[in-house]
Amino acid sequence: NSKVIQTPRYLVKGQGQKAKMRCIPEKGHPVVFWYQQNKNNEFKFLINFQNQEVLQQIDMTEKRFSAECPSNSPCSLEIQSSEAGDSALYLCASSSEVFFGKGTRLTVV
Amino acid sequence: GDSVTQMQGQVTLSEDDFLFINCTYSTTWYPTLFWYVQYPGEGPQLLLKVTTANNKGISRGFEATYDKGTTSFHLQKASVQESDSAVYYCVLADNNAGAKLTFGGGTRLTVRP
Repeated sequence: NSKVIQTPRYLVKGQGQKAKMRCIPEKGHPVVFWYQQNKNNEFKFLINFQNQEVLQQIDMTEKRFSAECPSNSPCSLEIQSSEAGDSALYLCASSSEVFFGKGTRLTVV
Repeated sequence: GDSVTQMQGQVTLSEDDFLFINCTYSTTWYPTLFWYVQYPGEGPQLLLKVTTANNKGISRGFEATYDKGTTSFHLQKASVQESDSAVYYCVLADNNAGAKLTFGGGTRLTVRP
């Protein structure tokens, strides 16, 4: 069973508000990923880190999202100004077999 | 770019039926292939993984063979149970720990008792 811990499980924000979610990856896994799963079950890769450094990120993540993975603290993903289209399940995963947490379900009203 | 295609959006079976979920992929390199299963309210869970062409992955009665010739990785199970009801995703990734996953569209399996 995966030991990737994501909090909160549910998050409700108004449009324009910040939305922040956290992830504690499995101990000893150096790479952390964030994915967005929409209501059609489509997955979008957002960003990944290796030892606190960004490996890859998509344009959307660069512009409205901020993410970090400091040493000895949970990783976090923050949406600076939430939009209705951001409503989705946000999944954190850690290598090596890519184990996923249960996700944070964000609803932007 | 890389892509994974699952033609079946939904599959409905009865207990003890044979399961076959189609998966084909497109990429310019030799990926690692996975099947993930997602239950309601959960994140995806790794079901099986194959890193080498022509090898077969087996887990919990499910199996899939990495066929480089047909670029396919179909999932099969001889006899499904109601507890197998879930969404199944065929996934590919590059062969390094930092590689992002490319997901198929998912196949929702419903098994009737």
